[in-house]
Amino acid sequence: DAGITQSPRYKITETGRQVTLMCHQTWSHSYMFWYRQDLGHGLRLIYYSAAADITDKGEVPDGYVVSRSKTENFPLTLESATRSQTSVYFCASSPTSGSDYEQYFGPGTRLTVT
Amino acid sequence: SQKIEQNSEALNIQEGKTATLTCNYTNYSPAYLQWYRQDPGRGPVFLLLIRENEKEKRKERLKVTFDTTLKQSLFHITASQPADSATYLCALSGNTPLVFGKGTRLSVIA
Repeated sequence: DAGITQSPRYKITETGRQVTLMCHQTWSHSYMFWYRQDLGHGLRLIYYSAAADITDKGEVPDGYVVSRSKTENFPLTLESATRSQTSVYFCASSPTSGSDYEQYFGPGTRLTVT
Repeated sequence: SQKIEQNSEALNIQEGKTATLTCNYTNYSPAYLQWYRQDPGRGPVFLLLIRENEKEKRKERLKVTFDTTLKQSLFHITASQPADSATYLCALSGNTPLVFGKGTRLSVIA
């Protein structure tokens, strides 16, 4: 199916564990983004990527690692999960940097760190 | 630091009335402003984009204004319906990626 998908949709993990959230888009968009959404903070950018092998930090990158070996995939890894990383994570894509064009969002992953 | 404020966390309005949502910003000179809709449990969905040299943009029952002097955007939904109930996010950008406001939760009461 065309679009942007995220997996898993729900994840519970323990403090200190490594967890990877997956994001896949079928449009061949150049730009991909990872956001987290928390009550009281809204959507905050974690990392973004302008193309395969090009990534850059957003507003809240600490504790996260990204990679982009293929245009269509943009996984987000929490190397050692902390309770403060409990959040809803959204992946998005856009054919441009997102400034002058819309971003397309995935359905989100709800992550709980116990 | 850059700051984006959406006028209120929640707004209740009677069906058929015009809903007006506000997005104010400081310490920022955005070239573009976008509005998104988000339903519970779902990702945001793009609604409208307006450029700094555009004063107003319309799409069906939606209207957005962008006043760079006041540093404010207004988002209007005319003839509001219960199906318009959702959280609406404004987002600004210039040379940097989009920065989102916290959103306003709109409830349209039948």
